[in-house]
Amino acid sequence: DAGVIQSPRHEVTEMGQEVTLRCKPISGHNSLFWYRQTMMRGLELLIYFNNNVPIDDSGMPEDRFSAKMPNASFSTLKIQPSEPRDSAVYFCASSPGVTWANQPQHFGDGTRLSIL
Amino acid sequence: DQQVKQNSPSLSVQEGRISILNCDYTNSMFDYFLWYKKYPAEGPTFLISISSIKDKNEDGRFTVFLNKSAKHLSLHIVPSQPGDSAVYFCAASSGNQFYFGTGTSLTVIP
Repeated sequence: DAGVIQSPRHEVTEMGQEVTLRCKPISGHNSLFWYRQTMMRGLELLIYFNNNVPIDDSGMPEDRFSAKMPNASFSTLKIQPSEPRDSAVYFCASSPGVTWANQPQHFGDGTRLSIL
Repeated sequence: DQQVKQNSPSLSVQEGRISILNCDYTNSMFDYFLWYKKYPAEGPTFLISISSIKDKNEDGRFTVFLNKSAKHLSLHIVPSQPGDSAVYFCAASSGNQFYFGTGTSLTVIP
């Protein structure tokens, strides 16, 4: 039973480059989330989708960040241009149902992003 | 502004003893609380949850206590085992609002 799959696991790139993180949620899950983990702020919710539609992107830090979910089995988080302060671990998670707030989320293993 | 706070970044406990992890929140509208466990290089995994209509939920060695008047949540692990060594995150939700704490790193010493 495949869990949430994220790629790449590690990304190292230079400042100013475009970065694309990918996520495949668990089949049948209706909600998908992107998080960023830093030492200072812990896990921050960036954006979440319900049935492929972005519901709340108030956690997205800047216009440099964008996320898409073209279909139920794929989502991307893009940073353009990237900056050193974007360095963090980015997690994707999914959960069944529409009323996701009262249901556990299933996380991928994350993408460790380093911007030089 | 952190709406969910875990004020202890780390905790060390002897194997077999009780581990108590604490979490405080500021929003009285939160109605569902969860604990997640995270090993290095892996994503968080769900551990246990509690609804605001309850004050205790137990699952094996893990018990979560909720004190709504104090806006305080705690996770008890009894007995603690070396495999419990991980980072524990508490989370709280209300409607479409969802917040994680910054985590507490638990080390269980054999």
